[in-house]
Amino acid sequence: GQNIDQPTEMTATEGAIVQINCTYQTSGFNGLFWYQQHAGEAPTFLSYNVLDGLEEKGRFSSFLSRSKGYSYLLLKELQMKDSASYLCAPSRDDKIIFGKGTRLHILP
Amino acid sequence: GAVVSQHPSWVICKSGTSVKIECRSLDFQATTMFWYRQFPKQSLMLMATSNEGSKATYEQGVEKDKFLINHASLTLSTLTVTSAHPEDSSFYICSALPTSGSYEQFFGPGTRLTVL
Repeated sequence: GQNIDQPTEMTATEGAIVQINCTYQTSGFNGLFWYQQHAGEAPTFLSYNVLDGLEEKGRFSSFLSRSKGYSYLLLKELQMKDSASYLCAPSRDDKIIFGKGTRLHILP
Repeated sequence: GAVVSQHPSWVICKSGTSVKIECRSLDFQATTMFWYRQFPKQSLMLMATSNEGSKATYEQGVEKDKFLINHASLTLSTLTVTSAHPEDSSFYICSALPTSGSYEQFFGPGTRLTVL
């Protein structure tokens, strides 16, 4: 089965840094995706971690610990356009299982 | 590259009618496509895995006779919501997994279905 836990909502200030944590329990785990989703739109790919450690991609970084069933998404230099939902999504057997997402509000 | 389209982008239909939604990979081939449904403020729920040339695999709780899936070519999968009811109103999103072996699924823009 699968169980994905991430905060429902977070608020941060423009220009700041925010870390969105995710814990998961997924049988047959392959790797973990992070997606960004704006309201009424399809999700867009941010990152994919297979091995333990930190993957950095511009303002966004993602960390994975397979043994702890833990991941985080780090967003730096926040911009107003980063206001969106961020979906933690473990994968197994080519299937992606989405969590409920964290709604991130950015304040000016 | 790696563009997935969905048609229609939105549809309104009467209760009891059937609606077909198309998912196309425009510039790559996809042996496997996935269909998701998302209710307001809820997560994307995987409905089924669509495999080209074979029967779709449905997730637990999804009625295969109500949500008909056809994946007749490497670039097209269709989802037909049969005898639609207001509770079927939702945002339906497809994704496509490139045959080339990429781990990344590419998502379509979604179809908003409203059943009156």
